[in-house]
Amino acid sequence: ETGVTQTPRHLVMGMTNKKSLKCEQHLGHNAMYWYKQSAKKPLELMFVYNFKEQTENNSVPSRFSPECPNSSHLFLHLHTLQPEDSALYLCASSPGYGRTMNTGELFFGEGSRLTVL
Amino acid sequence: GDSVTQMEGPVTLSEEAFLTINCTYTATGYPSLFWYVQYPGEGLQLLLKATKADDKGSNKGFEATYRKETTSFHLEKGSVQVSDSAVYFCALSGDRGSTLGRLYFGRGTQLTVWP
Repeated sequence: ETGVTQTPRHLVMGMTNKKSLKCEQHLGHNAMYWYKQSAKKPLELMFVYNFKEQTENNSVPSRFSPECPNSSHLFLHLHTLQPEDSALYLCASSPGYGRTMNTGELFFGEGSRLTVL
Repeated sequence: GDSVTQMEGPVTLSEEAFLTINCTYTATGYPSLFWYVQYPGEGLQLLLKATKADDKGSNKGFEATYRKETTSFHLEKGSVQVSDSAVYFCALSGDRGSTLGRLYFGRGTQLTVWP
């Protein structure tokens, strides 16, 4: 059993739908991440939150809206997506993000497989 | 900038064969190096890591040595099993002195082991 839980595991949505992906970590970590994994492409870091504050947004389109209400929960709100947004979305956590807390190790959830029709 | 290059797959081997997956990196300073593994239908999990030059990371029969002179961190296993079939990712993290905590991943190498 993973310490990082993602729901739903599979999601199919139309381009006009609004849906959300949820991530919860039970590891006592302070940093949480969203990654996008598409076929034939490297893992893409989307967002980073450290102590609930967004510290990185890698030019992600505004149709993806993250939310981090506390250090244990991370959401990715989806709206007006495109078929090319179909991918596996991975959530990860780490003890912290920054000079004194960076061990480099990330703990991943099992991912949410998104299909946009 | 920092980056990782790993060999393109897929790699197909028979059980008990020797495995090498090459990984080279470009980085400033003194990064830490990692191998992550992704089994079918799962997220990534850490396989092994090395935090300084000449360190050897090992786990589950896999090994990789941090070679600063060749900027490499090749993954090896002496005798693979069917259960090792997965995608393997090489990654590096920024310099310990950096404020950036991000990981830079390679593109992944698909390994399939046949009985």
